[in-house]
Amino acid sequence: GQNIDQPTEMTATEGAIVQINCTYQTSGFNGLFWYQQHAGEAPTFLSYNVLDGLEEKGRFSSFLSRSKGYSYLLLKELQMKDSASYLCAVRASKNQGGKLIFGQGTELSVKP
Amino acid sequence: DGGITQSPKYLFRKEGQNVTLSCEQNLNHDAMYWYRQDPGQGLRLIYYSQIVNDFQKGDIAEGYSVSREKKESFPLTVTSAQKNPTAFYLCASSTARQNEQFFGPGTRLTVL
Repeated sequence: GQNIDQPTEMTATEGAIVQINCTYQTSGFNGLFWYQQHAGEAPTFLSYNVLDGLEEKGRFSSFLSRSKGYSYLLLKELQMKDSASYLCAVRASKNQGGKLIFGQGTELSVKP
Repeated sequence: DGGITQSPKYLFRKEGQNVTLSCEQNLNHDAMYWYRQDPGQGLRLIYYSQIVNDFQKGDIAEGYSVSREKKESFPLTVTSAQKNPTAFYLCASSTARQNEQFFGPGTRLTVL
């Protein structure tokens, strides 16, 4: 079966650093995505990893280890506007239409 | 401005009625997707289409139908056979390389 696990919720303080973990077991792998979703809105793309290692983009970084089926999203210098749900998604292999399999999302609350 | 539009943002229907949700994109993307999101859960794939006049069932296709007569449009019909239709519905599209899915603003359907 296909399974993506991430913590349901996390709390952090403004200005701090937070790491959101994601583990996956899927029959195929062709990349891992992180999306941010504010309540009632559409998800917006944050990062994409297909090779092992760290991808940095401003305050956000994403790490992938394919051998461990593990990724994390690192948010630095947290701001109140970072309060949102963070979705981890794995893209199945091309012969499955490249569809994304989503985790349940991690609800991040940033406190003053 | 290129993007994905879904209308309306909020939709109310009586139980037993079919309802069609629209999704239009002017990004010239080949692939389009429909997801359903329930409170506290991740996105679940309903249907997807990689090219015009072709589509495949996702993980929860029962009670739904789609068509893909034009590249720009991928409407979703929620039929009376869908037992729990009240949800937030998101449409997405991607290029053939499928490196990133872009999401529309979503339609919140409430069946009374």
